[in-house]
Amino acid sequence: QVQLVESGGGLVKPGGSLRLSCAASGFTFSDYYMIWIRQAPGKGLEWVSYISASGNTIYYADSVKGRFTISRDNAKNSLYLQMNSLRAEDTAVYYCARRHSSSLCFDYWGQGTLVTVSS
Amino acid sequence: EIVLTQSPGTLSLSPGERATLSCRASQSVSSNYLAWYQQKPGQAPRLLIYGASSRATGIPDRFSGSGSGTDFSLTISRLEPEDFAVYYCQQYGSSRWTFGQGTKVEIK
Repeated sequence: QVQLVESGGGLVKPGGSLRLSCAASGFTFSDYYMIWIRQAPGKGLEWVSYISASGNTIYYADSVKGRFTISRDNAKNSLYLQMNSLRAEDTAVYYCARRHSSSLCFDYWGQGTLVTVSS
Repeated sequence: EIVLTQSPGTLSLSPGERATLSCRASQSVSSNYLAWYQQKPGQAPRLLIYGASSRATGIPDRFSGSGSGTDFSLTISRLEPEDFAVYYCQQYGSSRWTFGQGTKVEIK
């Protein structure tokens, strides 16, 4: 069955860096576009970054552009999010999700990893 | 950026009742790119509806989606105890995605 497992979250000081990982299994990872979506405590959902199956097409939300970098390693079935210059407003649960094969929505999600930016 | 506004913010209903949730877009959205998710506390969102009206794999037929242009809706024909949750609509356009702020369906 499809599984997405995020890791790498934790407590970091403002201005610090963190690298999130998402390990995929149960499907052909290299065939699918992937996304990072976050949810601040008690708030709604916000897309962060999106990457094509090959890694050649990448989009970022304006709120993270220039600070976050998405990447993937299809040989390792893994998705990454390098987060630099972190701010308090980046505090959230970060989910990786798989793009649906027929639409621009997301059919499988990981359980999420919490990133807390605080001094 | 397209803004999605969901209403009502909270819907208080009893099991067995019908729920109708609204999602209004600030500009026209392609029906192909409108989706609905369910989220329960402490869990990741779950895809319910894609392409405005197609049920995702394993979603019961009491869930249905409709609409076009700027007005979309999610209907739960008869609420089951496990349906009490927060529901989000989501759209894609111009290389970005936006979500509505959510509608909480709570037990009356």
